[in-house]
Amino acid sequence: GAVVSQHPSWVICKSGTSVKIECRSLDFQATTMFWYRQFPKQSLMLMATSNEGSKATYEQGVEKDKFLINHASLTLSTLTVTSAHPEDSSFYICSTVNEVPFSATNEKLFFGSGTQLSVL
Amino acid sequence: GESVGLHLPTLSVQEGDNSIINCAYSNSASDYFIWYKQESGKGPQFIIDIRSNMDKRQGQRVTVLLNKTVKHLSLQIAATQPGDSAVYFCARPSLNTNAGKSTFGDGTTLTVKP
Repeated sequence: GAVVSQHPSWVICKSGTSVKIECRSLDFQATTMFWYRQFPKQSLMLMATSNEGSKATYEQGVEKDKFLINHASLTLSTLTVTSAHPEDSSFYICSTVNEVPFSATNEKLFFGSGTQLSVL
Repeated sequence: GESVGLHLPTLSVQEGDNSIINCAYSNSASDYFIWYKQESGKGPQFIIDIRSNMDKRQGQRVTVLLNKTVKHLSLQIAATQPGDSAVYFCARPSLNTNAGKSTFGDGTTLTVKP
């Protein structure tokens, strides 16, 4: 199956600093990537859809200036948590679909390993 | 809107026993479902999928059953092993113009006792 590499696996930062999380598709091109947030013992919450070469689409209630998404190439999307605060502490996960060929049966998502962010 | 939900948040089974994880959905038009497994501290992984033209699909030690009449699907794990301990999500992908979003259930935490 497709491989999605996410880094870092965990990060601890001081309040007010910015943290960048990278998500790479290693063996296929991904024009679209998804970013999720997951709190302990809860399901995945879609934050935004990252589109290569264009602006990301954010879900309702997600601050685009707080969570900056850049998808500059077909294999890399980054999520930057700006001016992080303790309430931003969470598990962040990226995913993508194998888009070739694109059909309903290729809707299975390939996930990164996740990033545990802890803001002190 | 569409919802996908799991019946039990936790399930504990003895090693070697079979496990059954249930999921219900609300949208009759749903035609494709996926089960994901998420181990602690990791991202989810695809386990098995099923389309609405099927009632059953089998993989390696896993079987998914789809009952469209009652809008229910289940994941059965045979001879459950300690490595099966994880959170299991059922998901309903939905096509967008250029992307695939999925509606995830709340997850069932499976604990396998030795």
